[in-house]
This record gives sequence, structure tokens and C-alpha cells, in this order.
Amino acid sequence: GAGVSQSPSNKVTEKGKDVELRCDPISGHTALYWYRQSLGQGLEFLIYFQGNSAPDKSGLPSDRFSAERTGGSVSTLTIQRTQQEDSAVYLCASSLVDWGTEAFFGQGTRLTVV
Amino acid sequence: KNEVEQSPQNLTAQEGEFITINCSYSVGISALHWLQQHPGGGIVSLFMLSSGKKKHGRLIATINIQEKHSSLHITASHPRDSAVYICAVNPAGNLIFGKGTKLSVKP
Repeated sequence: GAGVSQSPSNKVTEKGKDVELRCDPISGHTALYWYRQSLGQGLEFLIYFQGNSAPDKSGLPSDRFSAERTGGSVSTLTIQRTQQEDSAVYLCASSLVDWGTEAFFGQGTRLTVV
Repeated sequence: KNEVEQSPQNLTAQEGEFITINCSYSVGISALHWLQQHPGGGIVSLFMLSSGKKKHGRLIATINIQEKHSSLHITASHPRDSAVYICAVNPAGNLIFGKGTKLSVKP
């Protein structure tokens, strides 16, 4: 597709379950970012992939959060043993090189932990 | 103190008014981004600036690197401009976001 695609668009899960969120960046974009936005809050950085470099995981809030990027393209954000405070919109963005080039955002995955 | 400060936090305008949103930052940057987030949550990149001024339609963005300040202007505002406008700076690799300015344009 032409843009950044995220799936699912909505996810409701029970507390304690694991969830996987997927991001398909724009083809050829080497940089991929995960952010989350809790209700009424600003954007919070989670993790950044740049090409074949080791990812910047400094924003991951706990060891329950992990992310992979396979083949330099699709990325999966995994949240283990979900908690209610994990409820947020999880946004993925990609750019050609890094934030020095224009970035494109996906529509996000709205995660609700009940 | 936040590294990126936006003002105002909320802004209500009448259709046709000229609007200015300000962004100040405290870190050295290689680029500054203005983003638009609509009520449905989708985020669109409006501008990426490293110096000077850019214009796209009714939107104008300026940046003063020495003063660490950027402004986003909307001319002849329209209700469809209602959204949250977010300033974000790129010191290196990642982005630091402002908390956003919620704009409501009344018909």
C-alpha cells in the first residue's frame, strides 16, 4: 500500500493476556518508530528501528514490552501480561532515513485492556 | 521543564481568522516537525523544517534556530482545520514531542 498500515485497528484484551500489534511501513523506509498515546496525553516514544542497527529501546516502559522488525520491513510490538495502564493508541511511523526526513504515521491500534 | 513547549494549549477561533501556534524548544536539533492529529486520531506530517520558512496552501511554518522557536500559521482558517497541532523536534534519531495545541475553528 501507499501508506503505513497497522493492524488490528482495535484490540480489546483481558488483563494478563499477551497482544501483538503489527506495523507495515512504507516500502523502502529504513526508519520505523513505535509511539503510544494514552487518553488525553501526548505522544510517548517506545522504540526506534533504523536499518540494520541495534534498535533504540530506551522508551519501552517495562520488560513486558518488546518489538521486532523482520527483514527491515514489518514490525511487531508485543505486550506480555497486559495491564490496564497499557490501554492506549499505539502508533507506528516510518521515514526514509530518520526524523531528518519526512515521516508518515499509521492510523494506530487502539488497545483496551479490561 | 519540558524540552518542547507549545502555546497556546487550546485555541478557539472564528472561521476566517489568522491563527498562530508557537513552539519553543531547549535542545539542539537537526529538524523540527509540525504534525496534525485529527479527532479520529490519525496523524499527518505537515512540515519538516531545519531553517527558514515553508508554505503549503494556507499553512505556513517558520523556524528561528538561534532563538529555538518555531511558529505554525494558518491563514483564512476553516472548521476543517480543527485538530490538535503537535510540534516535535529531532535532536538525534528520535523525536521529542510537545503536548499539542487543540484548535477549534467555529463556523
